[in-house]
Amino acid sequence: GAGVSQTPSNKVTEKGKYVELRCDPISGHTALYWYRQSLGQGPEFLIYFQGTGAADDSGLPNDRFFAVRPEGSVSTLKIQRTERGDSAVYLCASSQKAGGLTGELFFGEGSRLTVL
Amino acid sequence: QKEVEQDPGPLSVPEGAIVSLNCTYSNSAFQYFMWYRQYSRKGPELLMYTYSSGNKEDGRFTAQVDKSSKYISLFIRDSQPSDSATYLCAMISYNTDKLIFGTGTRLQVFP
Repeated sequence: GAGVSQTPSNKVTEKGKYVELRCDPISGHTALYWYRQSLGQGPEFLIYFQGTGAADDSGLPNDRFFAVRPEGSVSTLKIQRTERGDSAVYLCASSQKAGGLTGELFFGEGSRLTVL
Repeated sequence: QKEVEQDPGPLSVPEGAIVSLNCTYSNSAFQYFMWYRQYSRKGPELLMYTYSSGNKEDGRFTAQVDKSSKYISLFIRDSQPSDSATYLCAMISYNTDKLIFGTGTRLQVFP
């Protein structure tokens, strides 16, 4: 596709449930990022992939959060035992190369997660 | 203390005004400085990108970086209602690929 695609656009779940959020990056982009944005806040870094491997997962808040990118393209962010505090917009971004060289990350429109 | 500080606003100005948006930061390793624009319920999009200190102009937009003061600015000339959005500053250091964002400043330009 032309841009970064994220599904679902909206997800409502109950506390304690398991959630998967999917990101389809721009074709050919090797770097993929996940960010979380709470209301009135800027995006908060979660994890960054270069190819298939997680190059930096220092932003994952705890072990309930996990992300994969098995074939170096589509990525899935997985959240176990969801809590109300996990409610936020989860943004995915991709880049042709590591962000430090150009800084141009192309963002999707986000997956809005609401935990009741 | 957050690595990047940004006044959340909101900032409300009349059409045609000059807008000044600012961020301060604490990490002296930051070398790449960006401004992103985010419309409601959309993802951020890159507006301006600057490496190290200095000015960069693109149409109605001017980005300034003062590394000695750890202060960056975005100026918008002849502001338009279509400029109404949240403006996010973002920074990255030379030894990481992690883009760090400010809180964002919400701008409203009224006709």
